[in-house]
Order: sequence, then C-alpha cells, then structure tokens
Amino acid sequence: KAGVTQTPRYLIKTRGQQVTLSCSPISGHRSVSWYQQTPGQGLQFLFEYFSETQRNKGNFPGRFSGRQFSNSRSEMNVSTLELGDSALYLCASRPLETGGELFFGEGSRLTVL
Amino acid sequence: AQKVTQAQTEISVVEKEDVTLDCVYETRDTTYYLFWYKQPPSGELVFLIRRNSFDEQNEISGRYSWNFQKSTSSFNFTITASQVVDSAVYFCALSEIQGAQKLVFGQGTRLTINP
Repeated sequence: KAGVTQTPRYLIKTRGQQVTLSCSPISGHRSVSWYQQTPGQGLQFLFEYFSETQRNKGNFPGRFSGRQFSNSRSEMNVSTLELGDSALYLCASRPLETGGELFFGEGSRLTVL
Repeated sequence: AQKVTQAQTEISVVEKEDVTLDCVYETRDTTYYLFWYKQPPSGELVFLIRRNSFDEQNEISGRYSWNFQKSTSSFNFTITASQVVDSAVYFCALSEIQGAQKLVFGQGTRLTINP
C-alpha cells in the first residue's frame, strides 16, 4: 500500500511569490492534515480536511489556505511568501473521521529567499 | 490549552545502553490520546504508539516500552539495548479524542546512538 505522497519534495521561492504544495493520502483515507515544522516553532498544526470540508484550522495568517478534492487529495497554498515561511510542510492522512493515528508523508521543504 | 513538554533537547548514548525519553503533558480534557512519533533524517514522522487516556497499562513492543502515568501527566518512552538505527528525533504528541483531533507536539528529543 503506497504511503502519503507529497510533491514537490524541495522547492525554492523568493519573497512575495506564492506556492502550492500537493498531498496524496493513503488510498481509502479521507482525512488529511497539514503541519508546519520549523527549528524555532517546532511542529504546528495548519489545518485538517475531511470529505472536502475544512474541520479545523491552526493559528496561521490567512495567507495559508488549503483545499481537498473529491478523491481526498489535498493542496495547500501560501501566498505572499515571507522568509519565515521557510519550513518543512508535512501532510498526514487518517482513515477514520475520528481517532486513529496519523500517517505522515516525507514533507515538502520550502526555502524562501 | 494543551501543551507537551519534552525537556531533553538532545541525548547521546553508546550503543546497547538503555535510554529514556521524557514527556510531560498538560490538558484540561478528561479523555485524550497520547502519541510517540519518530522522525528519521528522511523527514517523515513514523508512528510508534498511541495511548488512550483511559488505559494506563504500560506497553512493551520489542526493545521499546512506554510508561504512562496519569497522576504525573507523563508518558515516557524507553529504548532498551539501543542501536545505531534508533538515532532520530522523537516527538511526543497529544490530541483530543473527539472532534478534529489536531496533534499538539512537544519540541522533540534528538537521540544519537554512537557505535
């Protein structure tokens, strides 16, 4: 069974640009979550989607947005990039609506110059 | 608010030593989940264990064991006879049981096992 797949794995952007990251969950998983990992702030929750609906959102500015498609694939977008957005963005999926462990992808490492 | 504290930022031991990673949590919820994840250099978080707050029984899986003590709000992780392959960053995390269940992570403990 394929794991959580995230693309691209690495990318470099400049301040002011926007970026879109993609996540394909494990087949059959309908819940997708996104986390940001930085050396200073650690792992922080961005948002979670279930059946194309955002169920929960972390404490991030409106520049961070996401969506989920009918096939459970998810994308997150960051507009007007800032240097502080440089991070590893991790996507995770879960088979159930509630409960159960999260299965993480290897992440997309974003560098903002 | 929920909070997880991993006071040990880095631990370095020699192979075959036993090592314990500490985790202390805070929550107002009466029911919750606790987790441990391992993050190797590749970046993905690898699930190790989930513990329901109802179940205070300790668990052992091979060389890994977990000690959950609700009275002290701790969920410690012990690796027995450590191996070089155990080198990674380990995260303790907490989530509610109902609802969207976002994970609240500790800052992580970088474990280095030296040959």
